[in-house]
Amino acid sequence: ELKVEQNPLFLSMQEGKNYTIYCNYSTTSDRLYWYRQDPGKSLESLFVLLSNGAVKQEGRLMASLDTKARLSTLHITAAVHDLSATYFCAVVLNSGGGADGLTFGKGTHLIIQP
Amino acid sequence: KAGVTQTPRYLIKTRGQQVTLSCSPISGHRSVSWYQQTPGQGLQFLFEYFSETQRNKGNFPGRFSGRQFSNSRSEMNVSTLELGDSALYLCASSLGPGKSYEQYFGPGTRLTVT
Repeated sequence: ELKVEQNPLFLSMQEGKNYTIYCNYSTTSDRLYWYRQDPGKSLESLFVLLSNGAVKQEGRLMASLDTKARLSTLHITAAVHDLSATYFCAVVLNSGGGADGLTFGKGTHLIIQP
Repeated sequence: KAGVTQTPRYLIKTRGQQVTLSCSPISGHRSVSWYQQTPGQGLQFLFEYFSETQRNKGNFPGRFSGRQFSNSRSEMNVSTLELGDSALYLCASSLGPGKSYEQYFGPGTRLTVT
């Protein structure tokens, strides 16, 4: 059974600081996703990581993937209040390609304070 | 380009009733996945459809069922509703196997069972 663990689950940080969210998964996967969810809203796609060593950046967010360690990180640089949200990582089992059911972590509830 | 649409957005039902939720994927997308989100269990995969065929199914009882139509629209049905079925139900659409790995989520249907 594929398990996805995120840590921390709750994070309160100050604007301007850097921090990293970690996502560990238990079995081999060929795809890892990061999503953002604002309260009462749906999921917004941030990144899809497809290969070992993949790194993607968008604004103050950068995601990386180490398939050998079964670990992905979401790094936040110089945090701003607008990044306050819950962040989920999700993994799909090796499926030979195409979309498959995602197994999600429990999410990291991030609060960024002035 | 219109996003994923889900109807209805909010629904209140009584225990024992059944409910049908609808999802229209992004134009050109042929794969639809369904997820249940609750505070206790988080985001859980229900099932995935492609070309009117169920490709994958999560670990949910048989009361949860779905189908996909030739225009890629999908419905999910929950029979004999229980209080624990209260949740946000999200659908996600993608192009299909081997075409793209992006999964785009709809706004969700919030179901309350009383």
